Amino acid sequence: QVTLKESGPALVKPTQSLTLTCTISGFSLNTSGVRVSWIRQAPGKALEWLARIDWDDDKFYRKSLKTRLTVSKDTSRSQVVLTMTNMDPDDTGTYYCARVAGAVGFYDPWGQGTLVTVSS
Amino acid sequence: DIQMTQSPASLAASVGDSVTITCRASQSVTRYLNWYQQKSGEAPKLLIYAASTLQSGVPSRFRGSGSGTDFSLTITSLQPEDFATYHCQQTYSNPDTFGPGTKVEI
Repeated sequence: QVTLKESGPALVKPTQSLTLTCTISGFSLNTSGVRVSWIRQAPGKALEWLARIDWDDDKFYRKSLKTRLTVSKDTSRSQVVLTMTNMDPDDTGTYYCARVAGAVGFYDPWGQGTLVTVSS
Repeated sequence: DIQMTQSPASLAASVGDSVTITCRASQSVTRYLNWYQQKSGEAPKLLIYAASTLQSGVPSRFRGSGSGTDFSLTITSLQPEDFATYHCQQTYSNPDTFGPGTKVEI
């Protein structure tokens, strides 16, 4: 069974950095074709793709956030890590990781999400 | 970036009704269009991919159609568990983008 689970701090202060971990099971990060994306959802807002890392360590970032985001993977720990610097209250929301699959690149499954609040 | 719009933003329906949600892309995404269901407090769940292919385990009352820029999701014979928010997503062009969502409520 393929599962993903996000973990990280629930509260960060403005200007601090956020580090989130996505722990996967049921598949391997070094299997050809495997891709994992990070997505967030501000309260009451649309889903927003943030970053993706592929099995071959290719990385892709949302253009508007590229200078603040870093995605990496630890294959031995089955983890994908997202770091976002200089957090702002507008970054408050639920952060999800999801496996990207299929020829069209749909997201399935998703992790349960982790709510991050940015406040002093 | 490709912009995705959905209509309506919300709709009220009853159990047993049939409803249709539309999704429009700002440029052609061919059939790289996926639909997700999100219940309150939960993560999105894949319903349909490639515009019309039902994900395994999803009831056949969900149907997707369309190509290019115009797509629709139809739910026939609404069930109580179908009251949720539905999101479309294009994966044709990076970055992947989502519609704003359509809330289906009683």
